[in-house]
Amino acid sequence: QKEVEQNSGPLSVPEGAIASLNCTYSDRGSQSFFWYRQYSGKSPELIMFIYSNGDKEDGRFTAQLNKASQYVSLLIRDSQPSDSATYLCAVKDDYKLSFGAGTTVTVRA
Amino acid sequence: DAGVIQSPRHEVTEMGQEVTLRCKPISGHDYLFWYRQTMMRGLELLIYFNNNVPIDDSGMPEDRFSAKMPNASFSTLKIQPSEPRDSAVYFCASSLVLAEETQYFGPGTRLLVL
Repeated sequence: QKEVEQNSGPLSVPEGAIASLNCTYSDRGSQSFFWYRQYSGKSPELIMFIYSNGDKEDGRFTAQLNKASQYVSLLIRDSQPSDSATYLCAVKDDYKLSFGAGTTVTVRA
Repeated sequence: DAGVIQSPRHEVTEMGQEVTLRCKPISGHDYLFWYRQTMMRGLELLIYFNNNVPIDDSGMPEDRFSAKMPNASFSTLKIQPSEPRDSAVYFCASSLVLAEETQYFGPGTRLLVL
């Protein structure tokens, strides 16, 4: 499987702040990138995906992709306590997903 | 749709016993994936099927693990004999045929081998 590296965390941010999560990947040919959120004891759920260089926004979430630097990030604006979870970066190769170890985010009220 | 269904949700067994995990994918999805998640190794792909045919089983850790998909609505992951190091959460996921389509995960089976 492809290597996907994430900040180990944990990342603690105050409510209302911006949480910034980073992810790097090893395969320069990778085309599709996903961010999943996983609450403790639950299954991963998709937050958003990105294919093209640049930014993609969905509500309070923004994914950023830089293929030249092999770097994907996720910004969570106006962080809420309900955003406290582990965030998994995934890279798709054909129909397979390779996941990073995840970054645990804690939003302090 | 009910989503991906897995059973049992929790399984406690003794070393050496056979364990069978079950999965029902979302109706109409062509791909089915089995993952294992541990603290040490994170989320790992074990095997995936396309139209009930195993495509890539390179993630299956050893011969003690086997997976089948006898029809489009049912898959099993079997461990025989089980060992304590197999303790993990096992997820099943499914997706449509489009490469861009995301994978939808089931609730997982928490396996503890004593």
